[in-house]
Amino acid sequence: AQKITQTQPGMFVQEKEAVTLDCTYDTSDQSYGLFWYKQPSSGEMIFLIYQGSYDEQNATEGRYSLNFQKARKSANLVISASQLGDSAMYFCAMREGREDNQGGKLIFGQGTELSVKP
Amino acid sequence: GAGVSQTPSNKVTEKGKYVELRCDPISGHTALYWYRQSLGQGPEFLIYFQGTGAADDSGLPNDRFFAVRPEGSVSTLKIQRTERGDSAVYLCASSLGPAGGSTGNTIYFGEGSWLTVV
Repeated sequence: AQKITQTQPGMFVQEKEAVTLDCTYDTSDQSYGLFWYKQPSSGEMIFLIYQGSYDEQNATEGRYSLNFQKARKSANLVISASQLGDSAMYFCAMREGREDNQGGKLIFGQGTELSVKP
Repeated sequence: GAGVSQTPSNKVTEKGKYVELRCDPISGHTALYWYRQSLGQGPEFLIYFQGTGAADDSGLPNDRFFAVRPEGSVSTLKIQRTERGDSAVYLCASSLGPAGGSTGNTIYFGEGSWLTVV
């Protein structure tokens, strides 16, 4: 069963508008972490934002915010005021907290390709 | 250096040859990870080191793949008898500690080594 699902293979957004990238996850653990990474065409995975399963408030980092809905097991990324440089692949990832996975292995979704139009 | 450094950035090799990919993690990071990313896919976990030991190698696809981290810093991923299906980007990442679950140790990635087997 897929643990991380990103249902949008591609998204378009107009420059300066906000966009939401969807992510749902599947875990039976109570303790887990959710991450979003950006991967531009250069290939580097750039960390954007992190949400812990016990965090009561949604994480925010500058123009990025994570809409965490625990009961629905969703962790959508919201990018406000899109910029041309935001065009890239975006990956949602989860780290579970099982005893046999204390190393923090990340499980990634398939990614969403975001294109920002001028 | 400030970030995770990987060499070579690109490698073309013939089927059946042996390949080594090197990763230099962020200074002070005790946890090191190798991932493999095929075209159009999210990264897939290969192996995780905590210090010098491989704490989780469950992602290594077969016994042609091996990784070492003899002094707890630099790591080398070794692929024997390469096959065309091994062509991918090999990403290395590091984090400050062996946090699992909802603890906030972020995993930082390098730019990857692009391996092409012809």
